[in-house]
Amino acid sequence: QKEVEQDPGPLSVPEGAIVSLNCTYSNSAFQYFMWYRQYSRKGPELLMYTYSSGNKEDGRFTAQVDKSSKYISLFIRDSQPSDSATYLCAMRGPTGGGNKLTFGTGTQLKVEL
Amino acid sequence: IAGITQAPTSQILAAGRRMTLRCTQDMRHNAMYWYRQDLGLGLRLIHYSNTAGTTGKGEVPDGYSVSRANTDDFPLTLASAVPSQTSVYFCASSVSGVSTDTQYFGPGTRLTVL
Repeated sequence: QKEVEQDPGPLSVPEGAIVSLNCTYSNSAFQYFMWYRQYSRKGPELLMYTYSSGNKEDGRFTAQVDKSSKYISLFIRDSQPSDSATYLCAMRGPTGGGNKLTFGTGTQLKVEL
Repeated sequence: IAGITQAPTSQILAAGRRMTLRCTQDMRHNAMYWYRQDLGLGLRLIHYSNTAGTTGKGEVPDGYSVSRANTDDFPLTLASAVPSQTSVYFCASSVSGVSTDTQYFGPGTRLTVL
C-alpha cells in the first residue's frame, strides 16, 4: 500500500464549479501538508502549505487537513480554465531524512468552458 | 531571476551510455534535490543535498550519483543508463532544508533510454 493515495482522475468540471481534490495517507508521522500544481510539461509549483488540522484559505483555494482521519483536501471555488492542471498532494514528517517529500500520484483536472 | 534551470530539456540516450543532467539555481538556496516523475508512481526523491559539500540518498538512489561542489549547481549522473531510467527528472531547491521549507522545482528534463 502506498503511503499517500490520490485518485488520478481525470476530473472534468464546467467553468465556475467547485472542485474537491483529496488525498489519504497512512503515515501518522506526516506533519506538513502541501498542494502543488503542475501544468503540462512544467515543474510543480507550490499552491498551498499547511501544518495543523483545519482549514487554510488563499483566494479561491482552501486546503483542509484532518489528521485524525489522515485525509487532506484542496477545494477550488469558481474554477477557471486556467486551473486545468495536475494537482499533487505532498507531505512530510519532522526534519530529517533529507526532508523527503512524499507525493501523491496527482489528479488531472480539466475545467471546461 | 531565472530560479532553477535544468539542461538538457530532453534527451534520447542509448542504454549503457553515461549522462549528466545539469541543475543550476540562482536563489542561493542551501538545499537541493533530484526527483524522478513516472506515471502512476508520482514524484520520488533520488538524492538530496542540504548544503554545499554534502549529499544524501533518497528513496530511489540506485544507478544515480550526485555532487555538490558549490551552492548553485547540483548535477545528477547516470553512470550507465538503463531503460528503467526513462523518466522526467526534476531538480528542486529550498532555502535551508528544514521541514518548514518550500521546495521550488525546475522545468524538468525528459530522458528516454533506449
